[in-house]
Amino acid sequence: QQPVQSPQAVILREGEDAVINCSSSKALYSVHWYRQKHGEAPVFLMILLKGGEQKGHEKISASFNEKKQQSSLYLTASQLSYSGTYFCGTEMKESTDKLIFGTGTRLQVFP
Amino acid sequence: SAVISQKPSRDICQRGTSLTIQCQVDSQVTMMFWYRQQPGQSLTLIATANQGSEATYESGFVIDKFPISRPNLTFSTLTVSNMSPEDSSIYLCSVDRNNYGYTFGSGTRLTVV
Repeated sequence: QQPVQSPQAVILREGEDAVINCSSSKALYSVHWYRQKHGEAPVFLMILLKGGEQKGHEKISASFNEKKQQSSLYLTASQLSYSGTYFCGTEMKESTDKLIFGTGTRLQVFP
Repeated sequence: SAVISQKPSRDICQRGTSLTIQCQVDSQVTMMFWYRQQPGQSLTLIATANQGSEATYESGFVIDKFPISRPNLTFSTLTVSNMSPEDSSIYLCSVDRNNYGYTFGSGTRLTVV
């Protein structure tokens, strides 16, 4: 039931781009994206509610393919502050009242 | 946006004892969620706490081990009972802010020795 994220880890130089994928085995109602820095709680980035929806947040954007039960997070022109672990969180159509987190992707950005 | 105060922030406990974690929200919320995050892992939902009813536990978590109270719409506690070293983890409470995502407490880092 836990969504699977890929890749598990990414290493970037400042200014490079990355894509993080989130795939569910169950039909999705919504997809959230969070970033967690070491020793801190996860921080909400964005929510996608409709299949085909794309959202942007500064240089971070995401898409939601409802039919494929997948979402992708796009990080462009990465900055040092982007380092952390990224989690997708999914609300399943069968149970929209709880958030199940994906396996996580650790992102490190170096100068 | 909701602000959550969670305490304690960390504790070291002897095996066989219990620890109660408290979360206070600055606004009324229908549901509160309790997660566990083991070192280097993702967040796992333990249970959902509704005011005035029994908490709903996820597979693998039972009320005898993780009793939850929800006495009002701004407060909840999670107790980790009869602890063993395998319970060493970070425990987080959370609330759903609808289109603004979930907000988390700062977490309780539990070490069982």
